Amino acid sequence: SQQGEEDPQALSIQEGENATMNCSYKTSINNLQWYRQNSGRGLVHLILIRSNEREKHSGRLRVTLDTSKKSSSLLITASRAADTASYFCATDGKSAGGTSYGKLTFGQGTILTVHP
Amino acid sequence: DAGVIQSPRHEVTEMGQEVTLRCKPISGHNSLFWYRQTMMRGLELLIYFNNNVPIDDSGMPEDRFSAKMPNASFSTLKIQPSEPRDSAVYFCASSLRGGQGRISSYEQYFGPGTRLTVT
Repeated sequence: SQQGEEDPQALSIQEGENATMNCSYKTSINNLQWYRQNSGRGLVHLILIRSNEREKHSGRLRVTLDTSKKSSSLLITASRAADTASYFCATDGKSAGGTSYGKLTFGQGTILTVHP
Repeated sequence: DAGVIQSPRHEVTEMGQEVTLRCKPISGHNSLFWYRQTMMRGLELLIYFNNNVPIDDSGMPEDRFSAKMPNASFSTLKIQPSEPRDSAVYFCASSLRGGQGRISSYEQYFGPGTRLTVT
């Protein structure tokens, strides 16, 4: 089954506004990561939040994690046209023994468009 | 650091031909991942290696796909014979995972991708 389902699939906002993207997953995780992909490029790691963390900040990014609801959100504050990209959440699944499977499972992504 | 290097960047081939995609991971990384991205199916993990050993190849579509990692600095993904439905962007990514006193880093570093078109 699909891990890391993002919502919404597409988001269109004006420069200066905040953008919020959500991610839901199905199984236990060690950590959850957010990546960004500009058109025609590879994915770039943005931020990682561990399963025992609830919130994390990096510059204009704020990530929250609710393991009881198996969900995460990514907030980009004061958006810029250069933030236009696809954003993916990815989960590092946890085995029954508590160890990592060693791989990430990516969602389908949210396409963010920031208009100047 | 040059980052993850993939070649070629673009490949156009005819159905039935063999295609070989190449990847050089970031020096010092011990895990390597091959992904395929299409509009219909999104980003799919095909196979990943840890310390040059294939760990999980459950995402490899069928026997036409094979991957090797002969050493820590090189990996190939081969499709033989290729089919039009193999058309996609193929990404290689590397990461450093735990052990032996090294700082563990779970984030993956992606290459620029190879855009494959099979006609």
